Amino acid sequence: GDSVTQMEGPVTLSEEAFLTINCTYTATGYPSLFWYVQYPGEGLQLLLKATKADDKGSNKGFEATYRKETTSFHLEKGSVQVSDSAVYFCALSDSGGYNKLIFGAGTRLAVHP
Amino acid sequence: DAGVIQSPRHEVTEMGQEVTLRCKPISGHNSLFWYRQTMMRGLELLIYFNNNVPIDDSGMPEDRFSAKMPNASFSTLKIQPSEPRDSAVYFCASSLAGVRGFGPGTRLTVL
Repeated sequence: GDSVTQMEGPVTLSEEAFLTINCTYTATGYPSLFWYVQYPGEGLQLLLKATKADDKGSNKGFEATYRKETTSFHLEKGSVQVSDSAVYFCALSDSGGYNKLIFGAGTRLAVHP
Repeated sequence: DAGVIQSPRHEVTEMGQEVTLRCKPISGHNSLFWYRQTMMRGLELLIYFNNNVPIDDSGMPEDRFSAKMPNASFSTLKIQPSEPRDSAVYFCASSLAGVRGFGPGTRLTVL
């Protein structure tokens, strides 16, 4: 079945460092891809999405490009802030019509001043 | 517009008790999803509904878990009897045509 694999955390960075969180997927059909963020004690918020190959999703300085040839959707940010500390989930939405989301395991990011 | 509403936000109960979690989806959304989040297993899809009809409950861990959606604006997830290993955060989400929202979650602790 469809699945998402993302790099294990925690990822620890200093403020203003470059961030990459790797995500690869396995899916039949043409899924949409998402990154969600979960801040401590809160629910999930959509960070960005891409619905077809070569689309780039971006928001709040984060970006990710839908790469069909490598089945990847890596999350990047050029300069992280302490406020970016959270758990990041990569997810895909199957093309089966019900828009169910399948999540990766999540990657915890800790940014230190 | 109100987002997905879940209640209670926190629930502490004793092993063997019945627990009912509630969800009100975003008005107009036609799909509803229940997820469970634990440290060990991450986010698991338990069950989802479309137009109030259960589509796939293969993620429900055991017969102790049941979910209903009696109408378009309400769903429940029930655990009976509850066990300590059911302790987790349970999220409800709803969607329409690819637009989705997540509730704030219910943190369940079973002692």
